[in-house]
Amino acid sequence: AQSVAQPEDQVNVAEGNPLTVKCTYSVSGNPYLFWYVQYPNRGLQFLLKYITGDNLVKGSYGFEAEFNKSQTSFHLKKPSALVSDSALYFCAVRDDGGSTLGRLYFGRGTQLTVWP
Amino acid sequence: SAVISQKPSRDICQRGTSLTIQCQVDSQVTMMFWYRQQPGQSLTLIATANQGSEATYESGFVIDKFPISRPNLTFSTLTVSNMSPEDSSIYLCSVGGKGPTYEQYFGPGTRLTVT
Repeated sequence: AQSVAQPEDQVNVAEGNPLTVKCTYSVSGNPYLFWYVQYPNRGLQFLLKYITGDNLVKGSYGFEAEFNKSQTSFHLKKPSALVSDSALYFCAVRDDGGSTLGRLYFGRGTQLTVWP
Repeated sequence: SAVISQKPSRDICQRGTSLTIQCQVDSQVTMMFWYRQQPGQSLTLIATANQGSEATYESGFVIDKFPISRPNLTFSTLTVSNMSPEDSSIYLCSVGGKGPTYEQYFGPGTRLTVT
């Protein structure tokens, strides 16, 4: 069965420091992995995705994520955090076929707080 | 990317009443989804809205409680029927691409409070 785990409910980091938001997944086939961000009172915005190829993918707002197949992880990173990055971040996974075509499985979300 | 609008953006409703949420997309899409996001929780898929046929509901969600319409490839509605305070949530419309490698896009959500 497909599932996503975000082990940290909250991540706090000082502005200018690097940030990491963790995500691990479980799928039966090849994984397609996504990160979304949700600002207060807004819908989810797509940040980046991993489909195949280079394990390091770059996305919007300076974010990047590293796919690690052996550790079944897809951690979100940013070299230098901004206060404006403070938001709720969701990791999601979809596998490459079967009856779950089209459906995303979401993690519980990680609240990122960047303080000045 | 698709631009998605939802109406209403928020509402406060009384117990026992129903609310219909509209979702409009600026382009034709095959896959449309309805999610619920309860306070402090992740997204839960309610159903997939299929054009020209009945919606496909996830476990725990039934058509009588959450009837869905999908009259064309750009529009869908979700009705929350006979509401109770437990239905207080954000309801999100989402659209998908042509296959599993495509990201989904989300509407701004409808914040529903049931008193």
